Amino acid sequence: GAGVSQSPSNKVTEKGKDVELRCDPISGHTALYWYRQSLGQGLEFLIYFQGNSAPDKSGLPSDRFSAERTGGSVSTLTIQRTQQEDSAVYLCASSSDRATGNEQFFGPGTRLTVL
Amino acid sequence: AQSVTQPDIHITVSEGASLELRCNYSYGATPYLFWYVQSPGQGLQLLLKYFSGDTLVQGIKGFEAEFKRSQSSFNLRKPSVHWSDAAEYFCAVTGTASKLTFGTGTRLQVTL
Repeated sequence: GAGVSQSPSNKVTEKGKDVELRCDPISGHTALYWYRQSLGQGLEFLIYFQGNSAPDKSGLPSDRFSAERTGGSVSTLTIQRTQQEDSAVYLCASSSDRATGNEQFFGPGTRLTVL
Repeated sequence: AQSVTQPDIHITVSEGASLELRCNYSYGATPYLFWYVQSPGQGLQLLLKYFSGDTLVQGIKGFEAEFKRSQSSFNLRKPSVHWSDAAEYFCAVTGTASKLTFGTGTRLQVTL
């Protein structure tokens, strides 16, 4: 079956612009996660959605970052007024509440470059 | 707070040699532990996971890992490395249905 997909695969933007990154989780997966991978910080958790519960936003680095998940499926991560330090690979993952041990399946990522 | 330490940033082994990548974790309860592999320009692929039961777990591509609670370790092993195993390896920990906390990764180089 189809895995987690993300779009675009690459995004180049100018400092100060807003960007939207999209994640399509595996069908039927109730949990969705966003992570960021950058040279200086490694892999960092950003935000977590589980079903209809309020999302865990504890990893968002600033109020310029937000995410939503519509209809319990597709998610969009929005970065407003991008800064050069936002340059990173943004990874999305999903998991099923029926999965043992919370196995998360990752998408290929979106590489964001802020000029 | 949960954390993961991978003490080796970079390891080089010869093809056919054995491999052990170290991982130590800190977690207040019974952890769920994972090893992921990332090839250049690719996403993360799960190699194996531990959540209960037998402390020696088998994964894909001939990898195995052993959970040692007394040492807070979950080291990854492979008896004979192939050139295609060259990649970056991440150890991660979580509890139930929660965020993953990753180590900083170990980059594996394989010489022919």
